[in-house]
Amino acid sequence: QKEVEQNSGPLSVPEGAIASLNCTYSDRGSQSFFWYRQYSGKSPELIMFIYSNGDKEDGRFTAQLNKASQYVSLLIRDSQPSDSATYLCAGTEGFQKLVFGTGTRLLVSP
Amino acid sequence: EAGVTQSPTHLIKTRGQQATLRCSPISGHTSVYWYQQALGLGLQFLLWYDEGEERNRGNFPPRFSGRQFPNYSSELNVNALELEDSALYLCASRREGGYGYTFGSGTRLTVV
Repeated sequence: QKEVEQNSGPLSVPEGAIASLNCTYSDRGSQSFFWYRQYSGKSPELIMFIYSNGDKEDGRFTAQLNKASQYVSLLIRDSQPSDSATYLCAGTEGFQKLVFGTGTRLLVSP
Repeated sequence: EAGVTQSPTHLIKTRGQQATLRCSPISGHTSVYWYQQALGLGLQFLLWYDEGEERNRGNFPPRFSGRQFPNYSSELNVNALELEDSALYLCASRREGGYGYTFGSGTRLTVV
């Protein structure tokens, strides 16, 4: 059973701090990883994807991938209350299908 | 560009009935994926359609079925509804060679 594991949280950070969200995966064949943000009652929206070892930055977001450790993370700098949501990590299975973790709930307090 | 559209937004059915959920992918996207998100749970993969064919299905009973039409739209059918089928059903589409999915806003199915 290919799995993606996330701490359900909630992860609480003050406004302006760095939020660090982590994810591990069991399938060494997974090639690409995705971070989705899901606000309560809404559908997931893609924030970032990463497929190479190392860091990938996009604005306040940085995704990190370590394939040897089977570890993916998402850093959110200068966290804002509007970042409060559930963050879903997903990895590819067979290049085409995404397997999702259960998500980490992030709470950013003003 | 129009996003992934799903209908209906909400659906209330009685146990034992059938439900049909519909999805229109983004123009140019050929793959459609269906996921179930029950309350407090993660996204569980249901079905993947590409070019009109079922490519993969998740660990769901056969009463969950669907199809993809020549215009790449898709429908999900759930027969003999059970209370545990109450969930948000999300459809997503992906263009050939693209990364990641774009999700629709979902259909909230309630079985009473």
